[in-house]
Amino acid sequence: GDSVTQMEGPVTLSEEAFLTINCTYTATGYPSLFWYVQYPGEGLQLLLKATKADDKGSNKGFEATYRKETTSFHLEKGSVQVSDSAVYFCGYGGATNKLIFGTGTLLAVQP
Amino acid sequence: NAGVTQTPKFQVLKTGQSMTLQCAQDMNHNSMYWYRQDPGMGLRLIYYSASEGTTDKGEVPNGYNVSRLNKREFSLRLESAAPSQTSVYFCASSEEIGGTYNSPLHFGNGTRLTVT
Repeated sequence: GDSVTQMEGPVTLSEEAFLTINCTYTATGYPSLFWYVQYPGEGLQLLLKATKADDKGSNKGFEATYRKETTSFHLEKGSVQVSDSAVYFCGYGGATNKLIFGTGTLLAVQP
Repeated sequence: NAGVTQTPKFQVLKTGQSMTLQCAQDMNHNSMYWYRQDPGMGLRLIYYSASEGTTDKGEVPNGYNVSRLNKREFSLRLESAAPSQTSVYFCASSEEIGGTYNSPLHFGNGTRLTVT
């Protein structure tokens, strides 16, 4: 069935380090892909999105490219900050009538 | 600019007690959802409402009921709480069903429920 797999955390980085969080999916059709972020004590917020192959979503220095050939949507940031510490969720939505989320990856950035 | 509002923020129940979690959105969205978040499990969909007057089961509906009271409000009821329902519950809304590209989800801040 449809599913999303993302790398397990926690991911611990020093400030200004490069970030990659892997996400792969199995789905029928061509879903829209998303990254959501959850800061401590809050609900999820949309971080970025992409709708078709080779689309790149970007926001706040984060990027992810929709790779149909590898069914992936990896999240990257060139230089993380302490304020980026949060839980990141990969997800997809569309014809299935519901948004499917991965299990989330905790990112901890140390000064 | 409230967005999605959930009440209460925290709740402790004893096994067998009942309660209703309230959710309201002020964005005129058609679709609303209830998720639960558990460590290592991510978010799992309990119920959703594609539009006013309709509700459907998600991945984990057992032990829950929902009511789409009007376009703004979508409540989740636990009739007889069990320790397995200890979780953080999130309500969300979107303009259209499915969380499509042009219709991402907007989440409330969650209700932390403990069942003893």
